[in-house]
Amino acid sequence: DTGVSQDPRHKITKRGQNVTFRCDPISEHNRLYWYRQTLGQGPEFLTYFQNEAQLEKSRLLSDRFSAERPKGSFSTLEIQRTEQGDSAMYLCASSRSGLSNEKLFFGSGTQLSVL
Amino acid sequence: AQKITQTQPGMFVQEKEAVTLDCTYDTSDQSYGLFWYKQPSSGEMIFLIYQGSYDEQNATEGRYSLNFQKARKSANLVISASQLGDSAMYFCAMSPDQTGANNLFFGTGTRLTVIP
Repeated sequence: DTGVSQDPRHKITKRGQNVTFRCDPISEHNRLYWYRQTLGQGPEFLTYFQNEAQLEKSRLLSDRFSAERPKGSFSTLEIQRTEQGDSAMYLCASSRSGLSNEKLFFGSGTQLSVL
Repeated sequence: AQKITQTQPGMFVQEKEAVTLDCTYDTSDQSYGLFWYKQPSSGEMIFLIYQGSYDEQNATEGRYSLNFQKARKSANLVISASQLGDSAMYFCAMSPDQTGANNLFFGTGTRLTVIP
């Protein structure tokens, strides 16, 4: 496994700007997840895909957030009109569905700072 | 609603000693899964161990074991023979379905420091 990779590792932006993050999952994994982690907290679920279908979205995912996974491979998470409260680590994870103890493999995350 | 509680913000352990990290959970579901993840300073979450709610035996993975007490709704992680590389944040998490890891709900974590 080459692991889950996320790009960029760090992003600094000004309030009101749009940002986009990319996640490349492990190649044979059909599920892809996005989580958000703020300082001192555990990760919070945002959304997940099975192949190219977005199957579940958290109420944390406001209208300013959109995630895509075209062709069921890599995924992008876009935040429009960023706010200071969006500052967090955005974690991507992937897994192979159908296992009784499905393990999520996480990337190292994208640290977003909104000034 | 599901809830994970980790009451130990920080723990210290001497190298080569064992340590227990506490986790209690609350759910009305009969079927669920419990996970422990390690997060080193690099930020990546690393899977450690899994316990299904219907599993009768406590899970073990190498130096990690999960002390599952269903009636008390606790799922403590035991790390034996601590190593310096074990210093990290540790998160307990729950999935709403024993068969998958959809929508994992995490606790606030425990920072473990291993002392040489």
